[in-house]
Amino acid sequence: QAQLEESGGGVVQPGGSLRLSCEASGYFYTTYGMHWVRQAPGKGLEWVAFIRHDGSNKYHGGAVRGRFTISRESSKVFLEMNSLRPEDTAVYYCAKDDYGGNFPQYMDVWGKGTTVIVSS
Amino acid sequence: EIVLTQSPVILSLSPGETATLSCRASQSVRSHLGWYQQKPGQAPRLLIYDASNRATGIPARFSGSGSGTDFTLTISSLEPEDFAVYYCQHRSNWPTFGQGTKVEI
Repeated sequence: QAQLEESGGGVVQPGGSLRLSCEASGYFYTTYGMHWVRQAPGKGLEWVAFIRHDGSNKYHGGAVRGRFTISRESSKVFLEMNSLRPEDTAVYYCAKDDYGGNFPQYMDVWGKGTTVIVSS
Repeated sequence: EIVLTQSPVILSLSPGETATLSCRASQSVRSHLGWYQQKPGQAPRLLIYDASNRATGIPARFSGSGSGTDFTLTISSLEPEDFAVYYCQHRSNWPTFGQGTKVEI
């Protein structure tokens, strides 16, 4: 059974950096793309980033482009977050893409999320 | 960026009734639309992909329809565990989500 587990969340000051990790297990990890999706307190879902199964293509949402970077290594996917702002405060979910293609599709397995709070 | 607008924002129903949720896209997305369910304190769960295909393990009371700009998620005979927030999502190289519909008792 596919499982994802995020880590690395915490409290950081505005302008600071944080690195989130997500470890995958229970499926053939290198076959599928991976996403990060976030949810601000009391708000809806916002897609953050996607990385292709082999790491060759990456896409980042407009709100984070130039500040966040998705990467992957072995059975882990990472989200490097720089120049953090209060509006980046959210639960960050790692999610598995349901297809092994070049572009983001749907998210069929989700982790429980890790909380990031940006505050002075 | 394609904008997805869901309606209604809140849907008040009783167990056993049928829920009809709408998602409208700002431009045609063909059939490239999915639906997710999220319960409080939990991660979302994929219900429907490509407008009308149920994801693995999703009960038959969940069905999706539509294409182009107008899509519907129907939940027949609501069970107590179906009361949750539902999101639609467009798949593209920049995925977007609707703002959500809360189905409440």
